[in-house]
Amino acid sequence: VQLVESGGGFVQPGRSLRISCAASGFIFDDYAMNWVRQPPGKGLEWVAGISWRGGSVNYTDSVKGRFTISRDNAKNSLFLQMNSLRAEDTAFYYCAKGTLSDILTGSWFDIWGQGTLVTVSS
Amino acid sequence: DIQLTQSPSFLSASVGDRVTFTCRASQSISVFLNWYQLKPGKAPNLLISAASTLQSGVPSRFSGSGSGTDFTLTISSLQPEDFATYYCQQSYSIPRTFGQGSKVDI
Repeated sequence: VQLVESGGGFVQPGRSLRISCAASGFIFDDYAMNWVRQPPGKGLEWVAGISWRGGSVNYTDSVKGRFTISRDNAKNSLFLQMNSLRAEDTAFYYCAKGTLSDILTGSWFDIWGQGTLVTVSS
Repeated sequence: DIQLTQSPSFLSASVGDRVTFTCRASQSISVFLNWYQLKPGKAPNLLISAASTLQSGVPSRFSGSGSGTDFTLTISSLQPEDFATYYCQQSYSIPRTFGQGSKVDI
C-alpha cells in the first residue's frame, strides 16, 4: 500500500501549481482521499477531501475558491490544483487515504505519502 | 471549527520513561479522535483511531483513552524510535482539525 506525491516546487505568488498523488496496493476508488499540509516548522492542517467518485468535495476555508481537489480513478491518481498561490501556502503537502468512501464522521487517515514541498516566494 | 489543544507542546524524556500527552477538544467529539506520529522526512503514521483502537503493527506500549472532550495518548516505556512529534486529530466534523503537536525529545 503506497501513496507517492509529485509536482511540488518553487512558484511565485499569484501563480498556479498542480500536485499529484499516485496510489497503489489498494482499491483506490473504494475510498475518500485527502490533502493535508504542514508548513515548515509548523503543525498539520487538513486542506481538502474528496469522496470515492468525486461527487463530494470539501475544503478548509483558507483555500476555498483557490484550490480544487480532483481524482482519476482509472489512473489511481489524486490531484490538487492550486491557483492564486500565497506565501502562506508554502508547505509539505501530503496525500492521505480515508477509511470510508466519503468524508464521514468517524473516518480517519490510515495511509499517508511522504509529501511534496511547495514553496511560494518571489 | 473544532479546536484541539495538546499538552505539553514539548517534552524532554529518557528511554524507558512513561509519557502521557493530552488532547482537549473545544466541544464534545465522542470518541472520534485519532493520534499520529510524525518523524522528519517520513510519512506520518497512524497510531490510534477512535480514541483507543491500536492500529495493526503499532507496538503495544502505545495506548489511547478518553471520550467527549478529553483524550490521552500514553507510551508506557519510551523507546529510541519514539522520539518524534505526536498529533491528535478529530474526525467528528468538517473541517478536520489537528492539535498543534507534542514533540518528544531526549
